[in-house]
Amino acid sequence: EAQVTQNPRYLITVTGKKLTVTCSQNMNHEYMSWYRQDPGLGLRQIYYSMNVEVTDKGDVPEGYKVSRKEKRNFPLILESPSPNQTSLYFCASRPGSLGLKNIQYFGAGTRLSVL
Amino acid sequence: QQQVKQSPQSLIVQKGGISIINCAYENTAFDYFPWYQQFPGKGPALLIAIRPDVSEKKEGRFTISFNKSAKQFSLHIMDSQPGDSATYFCAAHFTGNQFYFGTGTSLTVIP
Repeated sequence: EAQVTQNPRYLITVTGKKLTVTCSQNMNHEYMSWYRQDPGLGLRQIYYSMNVEVTDKGDVPEGYKVSRKEKRNFPLILESPSPNQTSLYFCASRPGSLGLKNIQYFGAGTRLSVL
Repeated sequence: QQQVKQSPQSLIVQKGGISIINCAYENTAFDYFPWYQQFPGKGPALLIAIRPDVSEKKEGRFTISFNKSAKQFSLHIMDSQPGDSATYFCAAHFTGNQFYFGTGTSLTVIP
């Protein structure tokens, strides 16, 4: 079964305490992304990757880091979280070309609260 | 600046009616326009998608209408059902792996 797995699903932390949200996909997809979802703003892309060791900034990268050391994993790192990073985060993966059967899959989400 | 503008923010439709959600964009380099459906507590899931060289695409009760000259596209849900109650997002793909999403439409279908 095609899956994008994020952990943890829920996380409460305090300002400044480094955290990592993991993301793993089992579809051998080249492309992966991180998004944040906020009420009234839709989904906004934070970072994306087009292959191992190839990452680039999305629309809202400030305060986030990513790495892509293996094809299946794409962790999101918040080195010094702040309250404005309280949000619902989604990891996604897709094959290199988009089409009828080649689609973007999303994880179930990670709800992060920064106090 | 919102790259993809979506309306309405919320929509209430009677069972059996037609739901219509509209999106507009400015960047003519966008090359793929998906619609996603999201249920509470779940991640978005692809519903239907279209490329700009096609004016309409239909899959079951779901149809995308695409107007390239007006830079607008819309989702039509025919014979809307209570199970269609969800949040819908339009999106646009740019080069590489960049996606821009609309702000979402919360659809409620009343039995």
